[in-house]
Amino acid sequence: GAVVSQHPSWVICKSGTSVKIECRSLDFQATTMFWYRQFPKQSLMLMATSNEGSKATYEQGVEKDKFLINHASLTLSTLTVTSAHPEDSSFYICSARDRGPYEQYFGPGTRLTVT
Amino acid sequence: QKEVEQNSGPLSVPEGAIASLNCTYSDRGSQSFFWYRQYSGKSPELIMSIYSNGDKEDGRFTAQLNKASQYVSLLIRDSQPSDSATYLCAARRMDSSYKLIFGSGTRLLVRP
Repeated sequence: GAVVSQHPSWVICKSGTSVKIECRSLDFQATTMFWYRQFPKQSLMLMATSNEGSKATYEQGVEKDKFLINHASLTLSTLTVTSAHPEDSSFYICSARDRGPYEQYFGPGTRLTVT
Repeated sequence: QKEVEQNSGPLSVPEGAIASLNCTYSDRGSQSFFWYRQYSGKSPELIMSIYSNGDKEDGRFTAQLNKASQYVSLLIRDSQPSDSATYLCAARRMDSSYKLIFGSGTRLLVRP
């Protein structure tokens, strides 16, 4: 149980374009989903917290107009990187929390490369 | 001071030995703690969660929590080369956000 999927697993896009990443909880309903970014050899950086049906809460320093998050259902959250630039190239990982347990389960991540 | 601190390592142990990974946290209000394993290029995988003082065992893994000392540890018995990874300690804040605060991770190398 507690499986989280992400799509795509990797994506290459041109500077200035937008990219959408999907995060799905496959066998449970995720009341809360989290989006992280990780640069090489660095730890996870929380970008935002999203609760189903409400606006995402962004961490300090994360541009909400650049990183659009939608959590339309209890099993799906999306992150859209708008007007991507090479410095947005990173490993984006989502996690999901089940209703009851406190554990967060991570998706496999999406590697974004902006050329 | 970081909220969750870990020694970056690398911690090098021979195959079959016990690996001991340590973590301290600064927020006394934290109640839930987690250990994640992350292989290079992959996302974190939950290994253990611990909420109460004392030890919690699961197979070759034992998590230990001491809230008075604000200290969490993970013991890996009979370490295998496949255990070589970065181990992330995380604390959950006692608020409605359910956010996890991660340490920077300890890199473990198990020598064959």
